[in-house]
Amino acid sequence: QVQLQESGPGLVKPSETLSLTCTVSGASISGFYWTWIRQTPGKRLEWIGYVLYTGSTGYNPSLKSRVTMSVDTSKNQFSLNLRSVTAADTAVYYCTKVADGGLFDSWGQGTLVTVST
Amino acid sequence: DIVMTQSPDSLAVSLGERATINCKSSQSVLYNSDNRNYLAWYQQKPGQPPKLLVSWASTRESGVPDRFSGSGSGTDFTLTISSLQAEDVAVYYCLQHLNIPRTFGQGTTVEI
Repeated sequence: QVQLQESGPGLVKPSETLSLTCTVSGASISGFYWTWIRQTPGKRLEWIGYVLYTGSTGYNPSLKSRVTMSVDTSKNQFSLNLRSVTAADTAVYYCTKVADGGLFDSWGQGTLVTVST
Repeated sequence: DIVMTQSPDSLAVSLGERATINCKSSQSVLYNSDNRNYLAWYQQKPGQPPKLLVSWASTRESGVPDRFSGSGSGTDFTLTISSLQAEDVAVYYCLQHLNIPRTFGQGTTVEI
């Protein structure tokens, strides 16, 4: 059974960079797509983007100018960087595995990131 | 972007009664090349991540009770809980996974 665990700071200052890592266990990161999804305080779910084990990426156009995703196959991890954050980026951030067809079949427990001074 | 709109935003159903949640997409999520609807349903309970219930509009995931069923095609979809149980109290989301960016409905809260 695939397990995912998000890690990173729970508090980020405005204009700084939000950095999160997802550690995958129970499956090799190679051979799959992986994504980041966030859930706002109002409970809306927003897809941020995907990364493949090769390093290939695809981002939500609404966030593309501020997002970078990467993968570390040696550690079985993938990461999210979101630059120039504002209070609107406050959310629970989830990492997920992508199943055939592009839907999300395994999720981490999520990590709350608050943007505030 | 494909906009996903769910209705209603919330509904209260008695135990043992039927719950029906609708999801409408702003454009078809039926992919002609494989004749599959790229539409999934998720259930989210408080403090937990979303859980995949139904894929390809109508395929129940392993372990999901058969009181949950998905239907629809093209732009109009429905998730039905045939006989609501206490453990079904949750927020339900539809997701289109045909186009980038992937987009979710706003969620429907099911209460007793």
